[in-house]
Amino acid sequence: GAGVSQSPSNKVTEKGKDVELRCDPISGHTALYWYRQRLGQGLEFLIYFQGNSAPDKSGLPSDRFSAERTGESVSTLTIQRTQQEDSAVYLCASGRTGATEAFFGQGTRLTVV
Amino acid sequence: DAKTTQPTSMDCAEGRAANLPCNHSTISGNEYVYWYRQIHSQGPQYIIHGLKNNETNEMASLIITEDRKSSTLILPHATLRDTAVYYCIVRATGTASKLTFGTGTRLQVTL
Repeated sequence: GAGVSQSPSNKVTEKGKDVELRCDPISGHTALYWYRQRLGQGLEFLIYFQGNSAPDKSGLPSDRFSAERTGESVSTLTIQRTQQEDSAVYLCASGRTGATEAFFGQGTRLTVV
Repeated sequence: DAKTTQPTSMDCAEGRAANLPCNHSTISGNEYVYWYRQIHSQGPQYIIHGLKNNETNEMASLIITEDRKSSTLILPHATLRDTAVYYCIVRATGTASKLTFGTGTRLQVTL
């Protein structure tokens, strides 16, 4: 079946604009994660959705960042008033309930100019 | 989640076994050891996980010490395509715990 799909694959935006990044998880996966990876650096946890539980938002770097998920389907990560330091690859992953493996998408490369 | 310690980088000759160590001395009884890797410009890929017994799959073997304070990921016959950053993670399963990546080990497989 299809893996985790992220769109767009690349996004260039002007500083101060808002952007929305989309993640389509694997069907039936209740866990969904967002990460940020700046050039040459490790994965930085942003937010974690698990079923109907309240999401773990402890990794969101500022109130400009927010994420939503409708049920067990699509998630969107929104960055408002983008800054140059938001430039990074944003990775989404999904997994089954209490699952062991998380399956990652190919990411969205965001460039803020 | 418990913290892990891994060497920053390692080299391995192609065809030889790559043994990647990980220390997790504060691991709790309900926490598993997971390994992921990230090949350049790709999303991370799950490799293997275990609780206390050694595990093997088509990609690798995982050896966990009896006290569970450390583990070793073994790639039995490394190839150039195994060049990647390897992450050792400990995490409780079946809870609302997030998956947290450390800095990992950069494995360079050479001819």
